Amino acid sequence: AQSVSQHNHHVILSEAASLELGCNYSYGGTVNLFWYVQYPGQHLQLLLKYFSGDPLVKGIKGFEAEFIKSKFSFNLRKPSVQWSDTAEYFCAVKDTDKLIFGTGTRLQVFP
Amino acid sequence: DADVTQTPRNRITKTGKRIMLECSQTKGHDRMYWYRQDPGLGLRLIYYSFDVKDINKGEISDGYSVSRQAQAKFSLSLESAIPNQTALYFCATSEAGFTGELFFGEGSRLTVL
Repeated sequence: AQSVSQHNHHVILSEAASLELGCNYSYGGTVNLFWYVQYPGQHLQLLLKYFSGDPLVKGIKGFEAEFIKSKFSFNLRKPSVQWSDTAEYFCAVKDTDKLIFGTGTRLQVFP
Repeated sequence: DADVTQTPRNRITKTGKRIMLECSQTKGHDRMYWYRQDPGLGLRLIYYSFDVKDINKGEISDGYSVSRQAQAKFSLSLESAIPNQTALYFCATSEAGFTGELFFGEGSRLTVL
């Protein structure tokens, strides 16, 4: 079965800093990858997704992710974070008929 | 109104009690899921259902049971709650042609003393 790993458990940044959160999936072949975000006290919502095609995927709120097949990676990036980006971020991979989530990365952005 | 509604939102109970968490959706989706979220462990799948007659175990189904009463309703039960079932529980839905996009409820925080 597929799995994903997120190595950054807690990231602290100042506003305007650049962000990169790591995500690695377990094996190759066709993969569908996702980033979900959970703002404090809220439910998870989809940030962006990759199915095929252009490996650079753009999502909501200025986030993007790059699929690098040779590295089994799907890292999330944002050039300049804002305080409102404080949230928990989950990478996920589609495994047949379900989603498998990573352990999450908690991002704190200070003004 | 939320498309995916969970009740109760918060519940404190004692070890050994039976607890039911309910989920209803107005999105018209066929597929429904129950996940639990624990700090440092992310979200783990408990059960999922493709329709009323199709229920599947996830990675951590022990100690839980589910009921799909209708297309729009999917309940999670803890027959005899134990403290390590203290967690945040999320219900989610998806379309029949599963693309990987899940629509989550607001969550049910359960504390077992």
